[in-house]
Amino acid sequence: DIVLTQSPATLSLSPGERATLSCRASQSVSSYLAWYQQKPGQAPRLLIYEASNRATGIPARFSGSGSGTDFTLTISSLEPEDFAVYFCQQRANGPPVTFGQGTRLEIK
Amino acid sequence: QVQLQESGPGLVKPSGTLTLTCVVSGGSITSSYWWSWVRQPPGEGLEWLGEIYHSGSINYNPSLKSRVTMSVDKSKKQFSVKLTNVTAADTAVYYCARDGIGDSLDIWGQGTMVIVSS
Repeated sequence: DIVLTQSPATLSLSPGERATLSCRASQSVSSYLAWYQQKPGQAPRLLIYEASNRATGIPARFSGSGSGTDFTLTISSLEPEDFAVYFCQQRANGPPVTFGQGTRLEIK
Repeated sequence: QVQLQESGPGLVKPSGTLTLTCVVSGGSITSSYWWSWVRQPPGEGLEWLGEIYHSGSINYNPSLKSRVTMSVDKSKKQFSVKLTNVTAADTAVYYCARDGIGDSLDIWGQGTMVIVSS
């Protein structure tokens, strides 16, 4: 199975700052990588699909980049509602789908 | 728009069988999408259990394949997952989700908590 490793585990920033989250795959997933945001007690919400495409209704401050094995989720200017846990996910070459272990974005 | 709603027992005894159902509303279960199950133990990450297509085609996570069975009922617009021989390690929030654009999971149910305990 393809293993996704996210870094850092926890990121402490202030509102208005720029956040950069990383996801590295154990082998190439081409551009078949998605990012999700999860708040306490809620289901994950799709932010980015195919590495760089924003899902419907996702604000422009969220952007994704990368291909192959290295991917980045960038939040250009943090809003209070952006503090949450973020997961990456892949399903290149078919199942199984795998997720990264998550990055917790907390208020500094 | 499409919405998903899970339902299940809440509490299952060790060595028992867990059965969950997901109802699809606001859209067709026979559209060109696969339907997945994902779980999340308390305070932990996400684990994909498998997916099913309305034709009955299924892909399971190899790590659970021996214990998982999925099915679909098109007339009721629902799909289900059955997990046998459960232990405390199967305690989790279970989500159903739609395999959408770009092989992402674009629509999720709210999740249902299942506790395995005697």
